[in-house]
Amino acid sequence: DGGITQSPKYLFRKEGQNVTLSCEQNLNHDAMYWYRQDPGQGLRLIYYSQIVNDFQKGDIAEGYSVSREKKESFPLTVTSAQKNPTAFYLCASSTEDFNEQFFGPGTRLTVL
Amino acid sequence: EDKVVQSPLSLVVHEGDTVTLNCSYEVTNFRSLLWYKQEKKAPTFLFMLTSSGIEKKSGRLSSILDKKELFSILNITATQTGDSAIYLCAVGSRSNYQLIWGAGTKLIIKP
Repeated sequence: DGGITQSPKYLFRKEGQNVTLSCEQNLNHDAMYWYRQDPGQGLRLIYYSQIVNDFQKGDIAEGYSVSREKKESFPLTVTSAQKNPTAFYLCASSTEDFNEQFFGPGTRLTVL
Repeated sequence: EDKVVQSPLSLVVHEGDTVTLNCSYEVTNFRSLLWYKQEKKAPTFLFMLTSSGIEKKSGRLSSILDKKELFSILNITATQTGDSAIYLCAVGSRSNYQLIWGAGTKLIIKP
């Protein structure tokens, strides 16, 4: 089945630790995105990538890093520099920029 | 600054009622407006409206786009408990490669 997978579903982190969230898609989409969602708020863009080996900062990129070494994969690292990382993280992909985006099931990150 | 505003932020109705959700926007060089439904996890796509398609309908759901007044509405008729969700509106611009998201409307349908 085609789709987007994210892992893990839930992640707990101690303060000061870096963690990496996985996002994989087999839809053959060129563009991939990472969003953060906090309670009562919409989606805020962290990073996006239009093509392999290229990515752009979104509105809230500070404290995060990404890579795009393969078309199918777009992992997100939450670094210790991110002051308030507890949130729900969503990965998405699309065939073209800002056309219909398909979402993964999300990862809920909690900092202890 | 580009922005998308949804109203109301939350809404509680009874099964069988009709609801109208609103999305207004101020986005430079508008390209498209998208509606998504989010239940517990990932948002799922409902409609995309553009200059060439300002009205969409699927079953009990319908949406229109008013490019002159810069808003869209999402209508749900004969609501069911399964319609309970957060409804998200997003707007794409030709100026960059991002979607600008509203905060969402939380819809609760009581039996």
